[in-house]
Amino acid sequence: KNQVEQSPQSLIILEGKNCTLQCNYTVSPFSNLRWYKQDTGRGPVSLTIMTFSENTKSNGRYTATLDADTKQSSLHITASQLSDSASYICVVSSGGSYIPTFGRGTSLIVHP
Amino acid sequence: GAGVSQTPSNKVTEKGKYVELRCDPISGHTALYWYRQSLGQGPEFLIYFQGTGAADDSGLPNDRFFAVRPEGSVSTLKIQRTERGDSAVYLCASSPKTGLEQFFGPGTRLTVL
Repeated sequence: KNQVEQSPQSLIILEGKNCTLQCNYTVSPFSNLRWYKQDTGRGPVSLTIMTFSENTKSNGRYTATLDADTKQSSLHITASQLSDSASYICVVSSGGSYIPTFGRGTSLIVHP
Repeated sequence: GAGVSQTPSNKVTEKGKYVELRCDPISGHTALYWYRQSLGQGPEFLIYFQGTGAADDSGLPNDRFFAVRPEGSVSTLKIQRTERGDSAVYLCASSPKTGLEQFFGPGTRLTVL
């Protein structure tokens, strides 16, 4: 069964600090992996997309990594801001299905 | 419009009532998805449309749930005889075509009393 596990479930950090969120998946065959940011009361918004051959991709202060061998991805946030407070969801698409598999998300709170 | 819109943004109903939730996808997007999201959880797939037809409705929890997309654009999710367990945020997403990035709407928060 295709699964996406995220850790930690929640995280509290101080403004300006860095943090790393983890995603492990068992989706097969792998097509791509996206990280979404979901603000409270809003729909998810895509931050990055990574395919099998990509190891690292950046979007401003967000950097995603992918290890397709170990089926792990991480999202690193640099110099966090209050506006980074949100849920971050890892989503993995399979080549055999048009329905992606969603993780439960990591809830990030950035305190001033 | 610029993005996916959903109406209403909030819906409070009583147990046993019928509700309709509407989704307006981005113009030209042929793929449309409905998801349900409970607090602290990721979106749970309900149904997927390619054009006017429901290509995959395997995520609908039971026959009280039904969705239509008669003209291949706007979609309506219909829930009959609502139950308290149906309370959740219902998200709609659209995509230019299957497999490409999904763009999500803000969701409809459904509360069944």
